[in-house]
Amino acid sequence: EAGVTQFPSHSVIEKGQTVTLRCDPISGHDNLYWYRRVMGKEIKFLLHFVKESKQDESGMPNNRFLAERTGGTYSTLKVQPAELEDSGVYFCASSQDRNTGELFFGEGSRLTVL
Amino acid sequence: RKEVEQDPGPFNVPEGATVAFNCTYSNSASQSFFWYRQDCRKEPKLLMSVYSSGNEDGRFTAQLNRASQYISLLIRDSKLSDSATYLCVVILNTGGFKTIFGAGTRLFVKA
Repeated sequence: EAGVTQFPSHSVIEKGQTVTLRCDPISGHDNLYWYRRVMGKEIKFLLHFVKESKQDESGMPNNRFLAERTGGTYSTLKVQPAELEDSGVYFCASSQDRNTGELFFGEGSRLTVL
Repeated sequence: RKEVEQDPGPFNVPEGATVAFNCTYSNSASQSFFWYRQDCRKEPKLLMSVYSSGNEDGRFTAQLNRASQYISLLIRDSKLSDSATYLCVVILNTGGFKTIFGAGTRLFVKA
């Protein structure tokens, strides 16, 4: 069974440009989460989808970030326009049971904004 | 004050040693608790869930104290392969499920 896959694994862009990160969860997992780890800091929650609905997006930093999960399958996280402080590793995770279930993480997308 | 606090370490221990990590959380409404392991430049992976009754998985024992808002992880007979960062993870029910990570405790097990 395929795990959580993320694309791209690494993206280098200039300040002001746009980047779109993609996450394909494990098939059948309704719950999908986005997280971000900035260098030297803890992993921070961004948002939680159940199917195509956003359940909690309290962790989204600002309106330059837009997450979508049309159709309840894969999800995208767009950063527009990117700023230097957006650099970090963006992890996606999925789970079957949001309460007690294990979170399965993708390998992350490393974003570098120059 | 951080929502989930851990001693960052590093803990440097010899093979065979017993080592304990602690974690405290600030929100009494926290619902679920986990220990995750993260190897360098890799994604986090679930090590074990944590229950009030305590739970054990081989060399690993986890304990939750809700009154003190405290979680622990005990590793017995440390192996070189246990070297990693151990993340304390707390889930809040916010309507959705908000996952809060500690910054992690680094463990180095040496021969």
